Amino acid sequence: AQSVAQPEDQVNVAEGNPLTVKCTYSVSGNPYLFWYVQYPNRGLQFLLKYITGDNLVKGSYGFEAEFNKSQTSFHLKKPSALVSDSALYFCAVRDRGSNSGYALNFGKGTSLLVTP
Amino acid sequence: EAQVTQNPRYLITVTGKKLTVTCSQNMNHEYMSWYRQDPGLGLRQIYYSMNVEVTDKGDVPEGYKVSRKEKRNFPLILESPSPNQTSLYFCASSLRVAGSYEQYFGPGTRLTVT
Repeated sequence: AQSVAQPEDQVNVAEGNPLTVKCTYSVSGNPYLFWYVQYPNRGLQFLLKYITGDNLVKGSYGFEAEFNKSQTSFHLKKPSALVSDSALYFCAVRDRGSNSGYALNFGKGTSLLVTP
Repeated sequence: EAQVTQNPRYLITVTGKKLTVTCSQNMNHEYMSWYRQDPGLGLRQIYYSMNVEVTDKGDVPEGYKVSRKEKRNFPLILESPSPNQTSLYFCASSLRVAGSYEQYFGPGTRLTVT
């Protein structure tokens, strides 16, 4: 079984400050990990993914995420938040060794609010 | 432009009246999937398709049907909609069935069943 937890329903950050959106996962094997962003009235957009290799993954719009196997975490980060980063963020996991139907398990989402 | 399209974007209907939400992708993707998004529950997979004529149930398939007669289309059918199917629905596709390929999402269909 695979699952994702996003422990914070909402994260509030002042513009210009660093932001972190947390994600922990549970898989039986090794994971593929993804972050998606959803702007109001829009579909989800892919931000970045971890497959293998370097634990620090860089993605779109200046976002990055750090894979930590020992803590089973994949936190999303950005050094300097923008008001336009305000959106709903989803972490997702797929167990690369699983025959579970190739499902991508999503977290419940974290609402990021960046204030001017 | 590479995209996933869904129609309609908004739909209000009554209990029991059959409806179809269409989904089409122009990227020649093998894998397509339907999700529903509900507050506090995130995205839950309804059905997915690994290729033409190959479909399977996701986590919440009850009350839904799908078909995959062509590679580009993956309609979602509600034979007898009920109010608990009021939700925001997303279609998604990806290049390959499994592995590290990210999914591309449509803009969503907001369905209200009264």
